[in-house]
Amino acid sequence: GDSVTQMEGPVTLSEEAFLTINCTYTATGYPSLFWYVQYPGEGLQLLLKATKADDKGSNKGFEATYRKETTSFHLEKGSVQVSDSAVYFCALRGGATNKLIFGTGTLLAVQP
Amino acid sequence: GAVVSQHPSWVICKSGTSVKIECRSLDFQATTMFWYRQFPKQSLMLMATSNEGSKATYEQGVEKDKFLINHASLTLSTLTVTSAHPEDSSFYICSARPSRGSTYEQYFGPGTRLTVT
Repeated sequence: GDSVTQMEGPVTLSEEAFLTINCTYTATGYPSLFWYVQYPGEGLQLLLKATKADDKGSNKGFEATYRKETTSFHLEKGSVQVSDSAVYFCALRGGATNKLIFGTGTLLAVQP
Repeated sequence: GAVVSQHPSWVICKSGTSVKIECRSLDFQATTMFWYRQFPKQSLMLMATSNEGSKATYEQGVEKDKFLINHASLTLSTLTVTSAHPEDSSFYICSARPSRGSTYEQYFGPGTRLTVT
């Protein structure tokens, strides 16, 4: 069945460091791909999405490119801030079902 | 806009009792709501999809008689954990899909931590 694998955390970075959180997926067909962010005490929020191969989703300085050849959707940010500290979830919709399927989440801690 | 609330945010109950969790879309109508369960260091697992005015659709392996879902209005869905046991302790998250707008959008509540003693 469809699945999402993302790197385990926690990821601890200093402010202004470069961030990469790896995400790969397995799906039939052509899923849409998403990154959600969960700040402490809040619900998941959609951070960015890409609906077809080679699309790049971007928001708040974060980017991810839908790579069909490597079945990946890695999240990147050039310079993280303390306020980016949160749990990041990679997800897909489509493939065999039209339901959101999530990765395990990666905790990012940014230190000043 | 597009805020989803859950109540309570955390609850402790005794084994054998039932617990009701509410999920509300505060500023939009939601024909469809989803209930997820999250174990520590694991992904969100979809439990069921509820549609206003009709029976919920449960995922394989989820006991419908144990996890009762009611979606009686366009802004409220409830999940009742009946005869709770310690293995039901978990983090329950709901999300709501607006009745109008992109089918991609789902707005998530902050979650409810259930501990069964």
